[in-house]
Amino acid sequence: DTGVSQNPRHKITKRGQNVTFRCDPISEHNRLYWYRQTLGQGPEFLTYFQNEAQLEKSRLLSDRFSAERPKGSFSTLEIQRTEQGDSAMYLCASSPIQGTQSGANVLTFGAGSRLTVL
Amino acid sequence: AQSVTQLGSHVSVSEGALVLLRCNYSSSVPPYLFWYVQYPNQGLQLLLKYTSAATLVKGINGFEAEFKKSETSFHLTKPSAHMSDAAEYFCAVRGVQAGGFKTIFGAGTRLFVKA
Repeated sequence: DTGVSQNPRHKITKRGQNVTFRCDPISEHNRLYWYRQTLGQGPEFLTYFQNEAQLEKSRLLSDRFSAERPKGSFSTLEIQRTEQGDSAMYLCASSPIQGTQSGANVLTFGAGSRLTVL
Repeated sequence: AQSVTQLGSHVSVSEGALVLLRCNYSSSVPPYLFWYVQYPNQGLQLLLKYTSAATLVKGINGFEAEFKKSETSFHLTKPSAHMSDAAEYFCAVRGVQAGGFKTIFGAGTRLFVKA
């Protein structure tokens, strides 16, 4: 397994444009998480999926953000009408279901997708 | 709700000196606690985790952390710093109650190691 893969690694866009990020988790991991990280801060939880079901969304996540995991494998995070405040590193992580596999509760992170909104 | 506070956004030590990174957590139930490390231009990776077994947890690269319930702390230590330890360290808590499957991170502590 090659770990958690995120694409693109870098995205520069103009304010008002839409962007989409993709995450391919570790294949046997049922849970998939999206976090946002800005300079000098820890990862901030955005949303998570168990298989294809989106089980929780942060109240900080505006309506411009949407995430999907249609077949319970890869996930996409779309940001519509981007704003300069959306500039951040978007992190994806996956984990096995608690208690069923070794490493349960442990997040494996991808390298992130850095978004710059001009 | 769970939360994590890391004391000190920057810590600087000399090579060979003790490393101590502080973390306090808030949780209404026994938590799972973690330390993750982020090296420059790399993703976060697990350093060690506490999951209600031994209170002293050993991790990779000589790091260890002690869970102290009475102090709600989970401080990270390493007896002797190495230049390669320079990185950002994040303490994290994961709740075990309903709706608590998300992991909450602290703001991070950047460790500098001087030659």
